[in-house]
Amino acid sequence: AQSVSQHNHHVILSEAASLELGCNYSYGGTVNLFWYVQYPGQHLQLLLKYFSGDPLVKGIKGFEAEFIKSKFSFNLRKPSVQWSDTAEYFCAVTSLIDSNYQLIWGAGTKLIIKP
Amino acid sequence: KAGVTQTPRYLIKTRGQQVTLSCSPISGHRSVSWYQQTPGQGLQFLFEYFSETQRNKGNFPGRFSGRQFSNSRSEMNVSTLELGDSALYLCASSSSFGQGLSGNTIYFGEGSWLTVV
Repeated sequence: AQSVSQHNHHVILSEAASLELGCNYSYGGTVNLFWYVQYPGQHLQLLLKYFSGDPLVKGIKGFEAEFIKSKFSFNLRKPSVQWSDTAEYFCAVTSLIDSNYQLIWGAGTKLIIKP
Repeated sequence: KAGVTQTPRYLIKTRGQQVTLSCSPISGHRSVSWYQQTPGQGLQFLFEYFSETQRNKGNFPGRFSGRQFSNSRSEMNVSTLELGDSALYLCASSSSFGQGLSGNTIYFGEGSWLTVV
């Protein structure tokens, strides 16, 4: 079965620190990759997505992610985090297998930024 | 334009009862997907509807069912509720089906919190 792994369930950083959240998936075919963010008390919203082209994708609020096909990874990065980045981050992968598709989600990473 | 609207936002049910949750997608969106979110497990896909037809289904028992109406509004029903069904149920809409297969963005509602006691 396809799976998406987010290795860190909880991350605590100080403001201005650099961030990298890991995401690995198990499917070897064509994939579309997403990062979603859920701020406290708010609904899930798209941070960035990759489906073709430049493997370095830039999203909202200064976030970026790099698709490394050989490593089956799509890690999320931000050079300098802010207190307002406190949220839960989800990696998701869409894969097409035998005419069936499914969006598989990681378990999420809770990020806490200390002011 | 208005986002994805889910009702009710919070509800408490007793084991063995059934529940119906409602979702109104973004205007013009014909795809509606449903997810179950529980702490530590992320989102689990329930099913996706497009133009009133179920296009895909996740690995949930038959107690979980859904439907979509001609105006794209969707309902999800869970029968014979179990304690383990307590979760946040999320609805998402998109302009095309495939849950992001063609790179289309999926927009989520705020969810319906279901507690089974």
